Amino acid sequence: DVKVTQSSRYLVKRTGEKVFLECVQDMDHENMFWYRQDPGLGLRLIYFSYDVKMKEKGDIPEGYSVSREKKERFSLILESASTNQTSMYLCASSGWDSYNSPLHFGNGTRLTVT
Amino acid sequence: KQEVTQIPAALSVPEGENLVLNCSFTDSAIYNLQWFRQDPGKGLTSLLLIQSSQREQTSGRLNASLDKSSGRSTLYIAASQPGDSATYLCAGGGPTGTASKLTFGTGTRLQVTL
Repeated sequence: DVKVTQSSRYLVKRTGEKVFLECVQDMDHENMFWYRQDPGLGLRLIYFSYDVKMKEKGDIPEGYSVSREKKERFSLILESASTNQTSMYLCASSGWDSYNSPLHFGNGTRLTVT
Repeated sequence: KQEVTQIPAALSVPEGENLVLNCSFTDSAIYNLQWFRQDPGKGLTSLLLIQSSQREQTSGRLNASLDKSSGRSTLYIAASQPGDSATYLCAGGGPTGTASKLTFGTGTRLQVTL
């Protein structure tokens, strides 16, 4: 079974702090994604990566950056955390075949910015 | 831009009932349609993926259909059980570079009562 592991289930950070969210997958997947999930808004794509060192902006990239130095690891960085970034963050991965490869999610990181 | 809608937002049914969850999308140029399950406070679990060339997929008591011409997908759950209680999300996959970029609905929260 595919396993996507997010390093923290809960995080509390202060406004202005730099925050790192880590995600590791064990299935050699090419594609990795970061979503945030908010009540009433659903899941929104922040960034995705289709290869090492490759990244593309999703729908809401402002205030975020990402890093993918190794195939199995995809990090989301909040450069200067703000209260409106309080959310559930979900990492996901999928294989190279976009037609047939389902998305596999981690258990999420609930981030609170105070 | 793809928009995905799920109605109703919440549904309660007695155990044993067969039920249908609905998903509609605006852009028929999708690569695939995926259904997920999300338990409270957890990540999403992939249930079924229907390729754009397919009309349905089955897994156990679950059957998902896809009608691109009408912009609709349905998830049929047979003989519902309390363990089926969760939020069910659908997502349409569209091409973006080499990765499949999913647009999610906001989900239907299902409660199966004893």
